[in-house]
Formats: sequence, structure tokens, C-alpha cells
Amino acid sequence: EVQLVESGGDLLQPGGSLRLSCAVSGFTFRSYWMHWVRQAPGKGLVWVSRINTDGSITAYADSVKGRLSISRDNTKNTLYLQMNSLRADDTAVYYCARESYHGALFDWGQGTLVAVSS
Amino acid sequence: QSALTQPPSASGSPGQSVTISCTGTSSDVGGYNYVSWYQQHPGKAPKLMIYEVSKRPSGVPDRFSGSKSGNTASLTVSGLQAEDEADYYCNSYAGSNNFVFGTGTKVTVL
Repeated sequence: EVQLVESGGDLLQPGGSLRLSCAVSGFTFRSYWMHWVRQAPGKGLVWVSRINTDGSITAYADSVKGRLSISRDNTKNTLYLQMNSLRADDTAVYYCARESYHGALFDWGQGTLVAVSS
Repeated sequence: QSALTQPPSASGSPGQSVTISCTGTSSDVGGYNYVSWYQQHPGKAPKLMIYEVSKRPSGVPDRFSGSKSGNTASLTVSGLQAEDEADYYCNSYAGSNNFVFGTGTKVTVL
């Protein structure tokens, strides 16, 4: 069974840093591109970032470029999102997702909540 | 990276059909056949319903279908059922490894 489990969400102040993790099982992690998607409370889905199979290619939404960084450890079957210089508008549930075919997100985690407030 | 435009809401009675539009530009929807659709029930993670414009993942009922014309993609739900009531989001590849979601549509089964 495919499983993606996010962790690391927290309540923190503006300007703070946080690292989210997404532990996966049930599939060969190193063979799949992965994504982070976020959803602010009561709002829609927003694509955040994408990483290729070996971590050499990354892409980011303009709103997070330079502040958020995606990475992966294929030996630990884990995807990461390093979040720096956090702002109130980064408050959201963050989902990790597995890409199969071009851009299709077939499997999702349950999400982890990041709240940024003073 | 502007969000794709979807109608805020759509509705239909059980058994009827509803079609949701997703309008982008030639740099995203119109430029690639990599449009996908997601269903999200309250408090739940999204679920893939359609990928590559019109393909259905295993287990998704054939009541769900997708299409595209120019810069606009569409999702049609035929034979509406109570469990189809949810939020629906389109997503498109936008070049240079970037993606963009739609604004979302709340489907109500009357």
C-alpha cells in the first residue's frame, strides 16, 4: 500500500524557519518525481514545488522562490521542504504528493499544518 | 504563475450532468496536454480524477470525463451522485517544471 506521511508542521513567528518531512512507503521512492502543494485555511490548492528523481532538478512557485527549498533523501525514502523567512501568508496545510505520468499527482499524504503568526 | 480560472460553484440534481471549466493561457492549458483534475472532500486530501486531459485512473468511475479546447479544459460529471459533492480543482503544466492549480469549484448536488 502506498503511504505518504507528512510531519514537522508547527506554530511559529514570522521570520522563522521550519523543515517539513514526508516519509513514503509502498513504492520505489527513487523512481518518482515528487511535489509539495499547500492549502491555506478555507482556500484553494496552490502548487509549491517539484523535484526530480535524484534531486538535481527543482522548481518553485514564484511566491516561495528563494525562501522554500525542496530536497530528498532516497536512502531514507523521505522528501523535505525547508522553509525559511516564513510569513503569515505561508500559513497552510502542506501536502506531499507523488507524480506519475506528466504532472499527475496520483498519491497524496494527509497534510501537515504550518501556522505563522505573531 | 496566475491561477487557472474556474467558476466558484456548479450544481445539479442527482442523475444530471455538470461541467466545470478551467481557463488558462497558451503557456499552460493551451500549450500542453498535461491537465489533471482533483476532487477534494472537506478535511480530506485531494484525489486524482483525470490526468493528461482525459485519462481516468483505475477506480475512478467513467461518469467522470475530461476534455480540452484551446486554452480551456473541462471536467464533466455525468449521472451526478450525492458523493460527488466536493471541491474540484484543475491543474496544468506551465513549462520549465512549473505547475499551476485552478481556483477551485464547489459542486453541489441538489
